[in-house]
Amino acid sequence: ETGVTQSPTHLIKTRGQQVTLRCSSQSGHNTVSWYQQALGQGPQFIFQYYREEENGRGNFPPRFSGLQFPNYSSELNVNALELDDSALYLCASSALLSGANVLTFGAGSRLTVL
Amino acid sequence: GQQVMQIPQYQHVQEGEDFTTYCNSSTTLSNIQWYKQRPGGHPVFLIQLVKSGEVKKQKRLTFQFGEAKKNSSLHITATQTTDVGTYFCAGPFFGNEKLTFGTGTRLTIIP
Repeated sequence: ETGVTQSPTHLIKTRGQQVTLRCSSQSGHNTVSWYQQALGQGPQFIFQYYREEENGRGNFPPRFSGLQFPNYSSELNVNALELDDSALYLCASSALLSGANVLTFGAGSRLTVL
Repeated sequence: GQQVMQIPQYQHVQEGEDFTTYCNSSTTLSNIQWYKQRPGGHPVFLIQLVKSGEVKKQKRLTFQFGEAKKNSSLHITATQTTDVGTYFCAGPFFGNEKLTFGTGTRLTIIP
C-alpha cells in the first residue's frame, strides 16, 4: 500500500508568480484535503475534494484553487503569490465513505516566496 | 469563529517525567483526533475518540475526551526521547466535516 506522495518537496518563487503543487493520494482513499502550515503554527484547512468536486473550503482567497482527478490525485494552484504564502503545504487523503475521517498526510511541499 | 486551542504552547521535560497537553474547543466537536509531528516531519495520526468521556490508552499515552465533547487531553507517562515533537489535537465541528487543528504543544526532552 503506497502512502501519500507530494511534489515538489521544496520550491522557491517570487511575488506575483503562480505555483502548482501535486499530490497522489493513498490507495483506496477518495478524499483529498489541503492544509497550509506556517512555521510554528498548526495546519490550516484550505479545501477538500471528493469525487473531483470541492467539498468544503477554509478561509483562503480565490487565488487558492484546486483540482482532483479521476484517480483521486490532486493539485493545489496558487496565483499571484504573496510573501505570506511561504509555508509548508500538506496534502492529506482519507476514505470518507468508511465513516472515518482520519487523515494520512504526505511529507509536504515547502514553498518559499521571495 | 470556531477555534481549537492547546496549552501549553511549549513544554520542556526531563526524560522520564510525565507530560500533559490540553485541548479546548470553542464549540462541540463530533470527535477528536490526535496527531504527532516530529521536527521537520508531517503530522501522523495517533488516535481518534468519539464518545463523550471516552478514555483510550496506547502504551505510555493516555487520551481523554471530555464529557461535553469540547475538550481533550493527552498524557504521556515517563517520557522518552522518541516522544519529541509537536502534538496536535484536531476535530470536526458538528455540521462541518473538515478537521480544524489545534495550536499544538511542542514537547522537548532533556536527556
